[in-house]
Amino acid sequence: DGGITQSPKYLFRKEGQNVTLSCEQNLNHDAMYWYRQDPGQGLRLIYYSQIVNDFQKGDIAEGYSVSREKKESFPLTVTSAQKNPTAFYLCASQNRGYPYGYTFGSGTRLTVV
Amino acid sequence: DQQVKQNSPSLSVQEGRISILNCDYTNSMFDYFLWYKKYPAEGPTFLISISSIKDKNEDGRFTVFLNKSAKHLSLHIVPSQPGDSAVYFCAAKDTGANSKLTFGKGITLSVRP
Repeated sequence: DGGITQSPKYLFRKEGQNVTLSCEQNLNHDAMYWYRQDPGQGLRLIYYSQIVNDFQKGDIAEGYSVSREKKESFPLTVTSAQKNPTAFYLCASQNRGYPYGYTFGSGTRLTVV
Repeated sequence: DQQVKQNSPSLSVQEGRISILNCDYTNSMFDYFLWYKKYPAEGPTFLISISSIKDKNEDGRFTVFLNKSAKHLSLHIVPSQPGDSAVYFCAAKDTGANSKLTFGKGITLSVRP
């Protein structure tokens, strides 16, 4: 079955450490996205990529980095520069044509202690 | 500037009654709208969508209405069931080449047994 996989489900890191969240899709989707969800904040866009080897900053990119070396993979690195990294992170992929909807992964809960 | 607004953060309804979730938008270039449903600690799942050339789309218990002149859409759930209790996100797509969606902050629906 095609889908999008985020790993791990839960992640704990010490303050000051970089951490990379994995996102893999086998839907052959061109576009991929990273969102962060905090209570009462909805879904806030971190980074997105419309095509391999290209990506753009979203609304809250500071303290994060991404790469898109393969169509299937869009890893997100949370760096030590991110001031409030504890959050629920969601990855999504999209077929750029109709029907336009995103397919979301099941999320990664990152806790920094 | 929030282009997709879900002004009511929460809604509580009795099982069997109608749930009406509202969404307003400001960008007249939006041409496609989607609703997503999200349970805690899971990724959002697609619920229903509507093109700007229509004013209504129905799928089982779910109906989305679009009023372009008012820049307003609503999701009706009839009859509401306890399993419908979740966060509902409204999203919109611009007519431009970039098919990135813009999300509202979400509405938490609670259906009381």
